[in-house]
Amino acid sequence: DAKTTQPPSMDCAEGRAANLPCNHSTISGNEYVYWYRQIHSQGPQYIIHGLKNNETNEMASLIITEDRKSSTLILPHATLRDTAVYYCIVRIQTGANNLFFGTGTRLTVIP
Amino acid sequence: DTAVSQTPKYLVTQMGNDKSIKCEQNLGHDTMYWYKQDSKKFLKIMFSYNNKELIINETVPNRFSPKSPDKAHLNLHINSLELGDSAVYFCASSQDMGTGELFFGEGSRLTVL
Repeated sequence: DAKTTQPPSMDCAEGRAANLPCNHSTISGNEYVYWYRQIHSQGPQYIIHGLKNNETNEMASLIITEDRKSSTLILPHATLRDTAVYYCIVRIQTGANNLFFGTGTRLTVIP
Repeated sequence: DTAVSQTPKYLVTQMGNDKSIKCEQNLGHDTMYWYKQDSKKFLKIMFSYNNKELIINETVPNRFSPKSPDKAHLNLHINSLELGDSAVYFCASSQDMGTGELFFGEGSRLTVL
């Protein structure tokens, strides 16, 4: 069952920052926020995850609001290769809990 | 070296046939998964295995039978294929069943005619 809401599509100019929002207003205290992306015809790719602190890695930054009801994935300098469907997922970190992939946001990076 | 590899990449077959898709991971992970992505692009978990033991079975018809000969392999056998089985099947692995960081294969596109 989807516990996240994302816009269906977004455009971003090449070289600019892509900010992808996600609402998860019913998130529980022990649920993490995960982001994945799926480039056309490929398997999903893990990007980043966090609990309540902002996180950054070589791919992206994750900003989680203080109340944890929403988050934003930031691709600092979008390239054409970042065109993909981006999925925001909430998940508890223990036990056998699968990832539920909703409909995601289709990001198109425009030259 | 591909971390999670699936074979075949494409499979076209007739209704009623039996087919298998193989998956291997060389990451030393304990947990493996099968996901199905249908024509509407919804990606759904089918099975999860941890150290060769079935952990998750998400209301999948009995015609689908996963088999894990060792923790590096998780194969999917499908009996009596139906038109609705046409989809892309993704194998994935993770360090253990607690983490949500999964590594996915490139997918196997099954077309049932």
